[in-house]
Amino acid sequence: AQSVTQPDIHITVSEGASLELRCNYSYGATPYLFWYVQSPGQGLQLLLKYFSGDTLVQGIKGFEAEFKRSQSSFNLRKPSVHWSDAAEYFCAVGSSGSARQLTFGSGTQLTVLP
Amino acid sequence: DGGITQSPKYLFRKEGQNVTLSCEQNLNHDAMYWYRQDPGQGLRLIYYSQIVNDFQKGDIAEGYSVSREKKESFPLTVTSAQKNPTAFYLCATKSHTGELFFGEGSRLTVL
Repeated sequence: AQSVTQPDIHITVSEGASLELRCNYSYGATPYLFWYVQSPGQGLQLLLKYFSGDTLVQGIKGFEAEFKRSQSSFNLRKPSVHWSDAAEYFCAVGSSGSARQLTFGSGTQLTVLP
Repeated sequence: DGGITQSPKYLFRKEGQNVTLSCEQNLNHDAMYWYRQDPGQGLRLIYYSQIVNDFQKGDIAEGYSVSREKKESFPLTVTSAQKNPTAFYLCATKSHTGELFFGEGSRLTVL
């Protein structure tokens, strides 16, 4: 069965600092990987996705993620965090053949200090 | 605007009552999903539907029911059999590229 682990429940960074959110997955085949962001009381918005090809993917709002098959990881990064990035971030794994769609991690809450 | 509309945004229910959450989409996506979100537990799949008049149970379907009579609509009923229904409920559709698009959510509170 597929699974996703986000080991950091809560991360605090200062505005302007760099950010890395960790995501590890367990999946038998080549995974489709996603990062979503959720503001309080809102739905989820897709930041970026990896299906195949270049293992470094660029997303919206200046985010990027790198797929590392050997480490079963898909970490999210941003070189300089803005106060508006404070939100909860979810990593998800699935495949094109999976009718059940995605399995989500438990999320990482990001706090940004002024 | 294209998108997914969930209603109501907030809903209060007395114990023993059934309630129905609405999810409407105009994205022309075939597949639709209902997730439940609780603090610290991420999203858990309740039901999903890949096509009209067909739906499948997800990981936590007990105490819930759905219907898919139209492509645009996928309502979720939270029945009295659901022992702990207080949660945030999210509806989503799947695009042809495999990504999910989410509604704004409905927060259900049992009094």
